[in-house]
Amino acid sequence: ETGVTQSPTHLIKTRGQQVTLRCSSQSGHNTVSWYQQALGQGPQFIFQYYREEENGRGNFPPRFSGLQFPNYSSELNVNALELDDSALYLCASSIIEGNTEAFFGQGTRLTVV
Amino acid sequence: AQSVTQLGSHVSVSEGALVLLRCNYSSSVPPYLFWYVQYPNQGLQLLLKYTTGATLVKGINGFEAEFKKSETSFHLTKPSAHMSDAAEYFCAVSDWGAQKLVFGQGTRLTINP
Repeated sequence: ETGVTQSPTHLIKTRGQQVTLRCSSQSGHNTVSWYQQALGQGPQFIFQYYREEENGRGNFPPRFSGLQFPNYSSELNVNALELDDSALYLCASSIIEGNTEAFFGQGTRLTVV
Repeated sequence: AQSVTQLGSHVSVSEGALVLLRCNYSSSVPPYLFWYVQYPNQGLQLLLKYTTGATLVKGINGFEAEFKKSETSFHLTKPSAHMSDAAEYFCAVSDWGAQKLVFGQGTRLTINP
């Protein structure tokens, strides 16, 4: 158990819809990162939040957006869903200061039909 | 830009045999290197990490890895494979701690009885 929880665990959406995924960070961690893992691929960095602001973004379009709350929990929002958005979405919490590890949640499996 | 190449998308070894999973990285700055393991339908668990200092790093479950700067490699080894080692393994690099990780494509390890 890493102390990072994600909800829901599975989700099916229709193309064009919007989705919100949630992540609760490990206690004491101030940074949340989101990754997309397509089937058979390694995780790809979407973006990171620190102090409630985006702190770096990977090669993902603006329809991928996020929030971080004062309690360091986070949301990932995806608008105008496409079939290629089907993937496992992983949340990782860490402490931005120092060389600590990132603790990953179990992920949310999103299927877009 | 940083990148990771994992040689061999699928490695199969016999129980009790040596496990060797290969990882080469590209980074313009001194890298932080990680190996993660992923069991089916689960998130990522850290096996070991290299930040600075000793180039031979020992991790959990008997795994170790050696950072070789001249070869830009960070191969993962275990002297004797166990059935429970069957999983997907990911090598990752970052330029600062556990932030904004860049992952390889993964290597699926199968253990034969």
